[in-house]
Amino acid sequence: DAGITQSPRYKITETGRQVTLMCHQTWSHSYMFWYRQDLGHGLRLIYYSAAADITDKGEVPDGYVVSRSKTENFPLTLESATRSQTSVYFCASTNRDSYEQYFGPGTRLTVT
Amino acid sequence: AQSVTQLGSHVSVSEGALVLLRCNYSSSVPPYLFWYVQYPNQGLQLLLKYTSAATLVKGINGFEAEFKKSETSFHLTKPSAHMSDAAEYFCAVSEGSYGQNFVFGPGTRLSVLP
Repeated sequence: DAGITQSPRYKITETGRQVTLMCHQTWSHSYMFWYRQDLGHGLRLIYYSAAADITDKGEVPDGYVVSRSKTENFPLTLESATRSQTSVYFCASTNRDSYEQYFGPGTRLTVT
Repeated sequence: AQSVTQLGSHVSVSEGALVLLRCNYSSSVPPYLFWYVQYPNQGLQLLLKYTSAATLVKGINGFEAEFKKSETSFHLTKPSAHMSDAAEYFCAVSEGSYGQNFVFGPGTRLSVLP
């Protein structure tokens, strides 16, 4: 399917476990982003990537790790999940001169 | 650094009434401004964007927004609300010409009453 996809759509995990959220886009966009959405905070940027093998921290990076070995994929890993990381996670992408960001459908993560 | 405020976390209007969702921003450079809509359990969808062309921007589903530099505002309006407009609306500002460095407002939930 064309566009940007995220998997899984729903995930329940336990405190201390490692979990990886996947993001895949088919547009060959240079830029990719991970946000978390929490009530009252809107969307907050976790990490972003300007190209393959180039990543940088956003507003709330602690507890998260990203990688980008291929342009189309941008996985987000919670190395040791905590309850405070219960949230909805959105991946987005964009390209030069595109101005806007294109969002995936989101992953709802619950940490018990 | 840029920032966005949205006045009112929840707005209720009657079906057929005017919709007005407020957005104010701060930016050290001429900004790019956006309104996104989020329906329940879905991702964000672009409604409209301002990228330094016309100050009155028309978007999808009958929405429009006006960029007012003197007021640092980018309010979203729709003349007549429809039940299907019930959703969460996010204003965002970007200081990058290629969509990076977005900052989102906290969102406004719009309810449409029959």
